[in-house]
This record gives sequence, C-alpha cells and structure tokens, in this order.
Amino acid sequence: NAGVTQTPKFQVLKTGQSMTLQCAQDMNHNSMYWYRQDPGMGLRLIYYSASEGTTDKGEVPNGYNVSRLNKREFSLRLESAAPSQTSVYFCASRRGGDHPDTQYFGPGTRLTVL
Amino acid sequence: AQTVTQSQPEMSVQEAETVTLSCTYDTSESDYYLFWYKQPPSRQMILVIRQEAYKQQNATENRFSVNFQKAAKSFSLKISDSQLGDAAMYFCTTQGGSEKLVFGKGTKLTVNP
Repeated sequence: NAGVTQTPKFQVLKTGQSMTLQCAQDMNHNSMYWYRQDPGMGLRLIYYSASEGTTDKGEVPNGYNVSRLNKREFSLRLESAAPSQTSVYFCASRRGGDHPDTQYFGPGTRLTVL
Repeated sequence: AQTVTQSQPEMSVQEAETVTLSCTYDTSESDYYLFWYKQPPSRQMILVIRQEAYKQQNATENRFSVNFQKAAKSFSLKISDSQLGDAAMYFCTTQGGSEKLVFGKGTKLTVNP
C-alpha cells in the first residue's frame, strides 16, 4: 500500500497563476481532507470530503476549490494564487463514519507563490 | 468548538532521558479520540500514539506513553529513553464525530547527544 500520495512535492507559482494539487489514497477510506501548515500555526483544515460526492468547507477555505473525483482522489485547486497561499499543503484520509478514527497523511506539497 | 493548546513551544532532552510534552484540550464531543503526531524535518506527519476518550487506561506504544486526564482535559506525552531520532515537532490533536481534526501549534523537541 502506498497510503496517501500527493503530487507535486514542490511548486513555485507567480501571483495570479492557477494550479491543482493532487491527492490519492489506496486504503479505501471514505473521508479525505486538505490542510495547510504555516509556521507557528499548526495545521488548519481547508476543505474536507466525508464521502464520495460531498465536500465541505473547513477553517480556511477562501481562495481554494476542491473536487472529490472518486473515492480515491481528492484535488485542491488554486484559481488565482496569492502570496498568502505560500504554505505546505497536506492531504489526509480516514476510514470515516460517525465515530472518530485515525487520519493518515500524505508527504505534503511545499508551495511558494511569488 | 474544539481547541487544543500546547503550552511548550520548545523542549529539549538529553539522549536516554525522559521528557514529557504537555497538551490541554477542550471539546463538546462525547465520543472523541486524542492523538500525538510527530513531524520530523522530512515534513511527514507520523502517528505516534492514539487514545480513545472512552478508555480509562492510558495508551502505550513502546517508549511512548500518555497521561490522559479526562476530567482535567489533559493529554500529555511521555517519551522514555529519548533517542536522536525522536527530534521533531510534536502535535497534539483531537477528533470527535465531526470531520475536523483540530491541531495544537506544536512543540519542537530537541534531543541532545
């Protein structure tokens, strides 16, 4: 099992450019998440998908869109990148359902917006 | 709303000694889990230990153990026989029945040889 994979690992954008971060999991998990990590801030939830076909906003959704393409894949899109979106982005997944359980994280994408 | 507070931005320990990282939390959930994740310089988020809130017994994973005080909403991590590879950022988190995993701001652990 590869677990949770993310592409790309690194990306540099200019202000106003767009890009999509890709995430896939092979654990047959229902729930998937996108977080951003800024220095001194811990991880903050951007969007999540509790199941295929559903998405919901997290704590910091402005400037982002997501797509749950199928059960395995959950992408994060920046339509018009801004320097404030310079961060490390993590995708995560968990089995899901009404009870809490462990989230498993991808390796992260370091994004720099100039 | 859920909150997690890690009051120690940085900690250091001598190799082979024991260190305890503190965490307090607040949640309105009745069914929740608590986690400690480790983030080494590689950035990978690695699960260290998990505690189900309904369990009274403290979780243990090899050299890692927790002191879970439910009434006090405290969840500290003890690392015994510290090793150089334990140097990392450590994040305390909580998750209830909702989808959100709430993170503390982290504690940077340095292990001195």
